[in-house]
This record gives sequence, structure tokens and C-alpha cells, in this order.
Amino acid sequence: DSGVTQTPKHLITATGQRVTLRCSPRSGDLSVYWYQQSLDQGLQFLIQYYNGEERAKGNILERFSAQQFPDLHSELNLSSLELGDSALYFCASSHGTDLAKNIQYFGAGTRLSVL
Amino acid sequence: QKEVEQDPGPLSVPEGAIVSLNCTYSNSAFQYFMWYRQYSRKGPELLMYTYSSGNKEDGRFTAQVDKSSKYISLFIRDSQPSDSATYLCAMSANFNKFYFGSGTKLNVKP
Repeated sequence: DSGVTQTPKHLITATGQRVTLRCSPRSGDLSVYWYQQSLDQGLQFLIQYYNGEERAKGNILERFSAQQFPDLHSELNLSSLELGDSALYFCASSHGTDLAKNIQYFGAGTRLSVL
Repeated sequence: QKEVEQDPGPLSVPEGAIVSLNCTYSNSAFQYFMWYRQYSRKGPELLMYTYSSGNKEDGRFTAQVDKSSKYISLFIRDSQPSDSATYLCAMSANFNKFYFGSGTKLNVKP
């Protein structure tokens, strides 16, 4: 167990809908990262938060947004869902301040199916 | 051109074989290199982490980085059926953005 908790494990929804994925980082970790993993694209970095602030942005669509709350948990919001958004969404956390401790630990993922 | 290229496999080897997994990259700013193992329907777990060039050994696993060739490798000695998984390389210039390979699926046959 990595210590990173993601909920829900599975999500089935329809096109055009909006969903929220939740991530609780490991105790003491300040950084949270979101990734999308689909069969044909591999693991794609979406966005990173550090202590509540956005730190880095990857290939995140405008329909997607994220935030990190004062208790350090993070939410990834996906709206106007399309069939192509069906994927595994992973959250990872790291300490965030000391490079030697900045290795990411991944949650078990949320499997999103858009029908 | 992708930032990180990795052969998707699958790679099938007999138990006890030495496995070589590789990634190439294009960004010379990358200086942190990682290998993750991902079992089916699970999150990736960190196997090895290397800073800059050189070798690092941990049990049956050895990670090599050749920055001049922009090439990294993971060697698995005495491979076991429990090593069957997808192996992902990852790299970063500054630990803010990470770039992952698409993963190589490894099957170790008993």
C-alpha cells in the first residue's frame, strides 16, 4: 500500500456529464500529481499542485480542472465528458520540498468509463 | 517526436533469464531517471531512482543512465514469474513535470 488513497475506484458515466475524482496524499506529502493512462497514450502528466498552489501543468484539457485543498487532498474535475476521456486516472504524491525525498508514490487509480 | 520512447513489447523470457528494458529520450535537460513497475490494474510502484549518469544496483535490479546517448536501461537478473508486469521509465528535469514512457510489458515464463 503506497499510502495514497483515490476514490472512487470505478466511475461509469455518460457523455456530457461532469465527475470529480478525489485523492488523499501520503501523510506528510505536500505535492500531488494527476496522470491519465489510456491504452494508446501511456501515462500522461496532467497537473501538479504543491501545498495548495498549482506548480506545473502538462497536457490537461480545458474541460479538466483540479485543486488542492488546505488539508492537502486534491480533486480532479472532468466536465463535458467525451468517450475518449475513458481512462485510468492516477494520483501521485511526493514530499515536494527536498529533491532527495521527491519521489512520487501512486494511488491505485480511478477507472473512468464514459458511455 | 515524443519526449520519451519505450518499446511496448511484449517481452517474453524464461524464468532465470536476464532482462534488459530500455528507454530513449530527447530532452537533454532530464537529470532524474526512474523505473516503475505496474501490475495489471494497479498503480505504478517505484523500483529504481537515478540522478544523472551512471549505474545503480538494488538486489536483482540495475539501472543505467547514459546521458551522452540519451539512453537508460533497467536490467533484471534471475528473472522470476513475479516480475511479470509492465515496466515504465520516467524522467524529469526539475521534479515538477514528469515524462513517462509508454511501458514495456514483461512476461516471465516458469
